[in-house]
Amino acid sequence: DAGVIQSPRHEVTEMGQEVTLRCKPISGHDYLFWYRQTMMRGLELLIYFNNNVPIDDSGMPEDRFSAKMPNASFSTLKIQPSEPRDSAVYFCASSDPDRSGNTEAFFGQGTRLTVV
Amino acid sequence: AQSVTQLGSHVSVSEGALVLLRCNYSSSVPPYLFWYVQYPNQGLQLLLKYTSAATLVKGINGFEAEFKKSETSFHLTKPSAHMSDAAEYFCAVSEGNAGNMLTFGGGTRLMVKP
Repeated sequence: DAGVIQSPRHEVTEMGQEVTLRCKPISGHDYLFWYRQTMMRGLELLIYFNNNVPIDDSGMPEDRFSAKMPNASFSTLKIQPSEPRDSAVYFCASSDPDRSGNTEAFFGQGTRLTVV
Repeated sequence: AQSVTQLGSHVSVSEGALVLLRCNYSSSVPPYLFWYVQYPNQGLQLLLKYTSAATLVKGINGFEAEFKKSETSFHLTKPSAHMSDAAEYFCAVSEGNAGNMLTFGGGTRLMVKP
C-alpha cells in the first residue's frame, strides 16, 4: 500500500479564498483523522471519522472549517473563507485497530498551507 | 481525559552520547503509548509503541522506551546518538478507543552535535 496520501503538499492562497485539502487513507482502514500542526499549538486533532461518519469534530476551530468523507477512500478538509491564522501543516492519518491488531495511526506527508 | 507532557522542547546531545527524551502521561484507563519521529518537511513516522505487553519496548533506529506505570512515564532512550537522529520527537497517548485517537505532547526537538 502507498500509505496515506495527501494533496496538495503545499498550498498558498489569499485570505478569503476557499481551500480544500484532500486525503486518501490506507485501504481497509476504517478510522480517519485530521490533525493540524502549528508552532504555537503543536499537533491538534481537528476531527475524526469512523466508517465515513464524523464522530468527534470538537477540535474544529470554527464554522469556517468543514470536513467530509463521502466514501471509504477519500476525505476533504475545507476552509472557507481562509485566514492567515489558518496557516499550518495539516495531517491526515488512518488506522484500523481491529483487523490488524496494530494500534498505530499512519500519517500522510501533510499539506503545508500558507494564507497570505 | 488523556494528556501528555514532554519535558524539554529542545534537547541537544553530542554524537555518540546517550539520548533521553522524557514523556509523562495521564490517562483514566490503561493507555497505549507511542513515540513518533518527524523529520523536516515530513509526516510522522512511528518509532515504537506500548500496548500492554512488555514494558520495555524496542523500536526502529536503536530507540527504546520503558513504560513505568508508577511514574506515569514513557521515556525514550538511545544509547548512542547519531547525526541522523536529529528530528522532532512526539510522545502520544491513546486510550484504545476511537481507533486510537491520539493525544500528542508538545514535541521535543533533538539536536545532535558532531
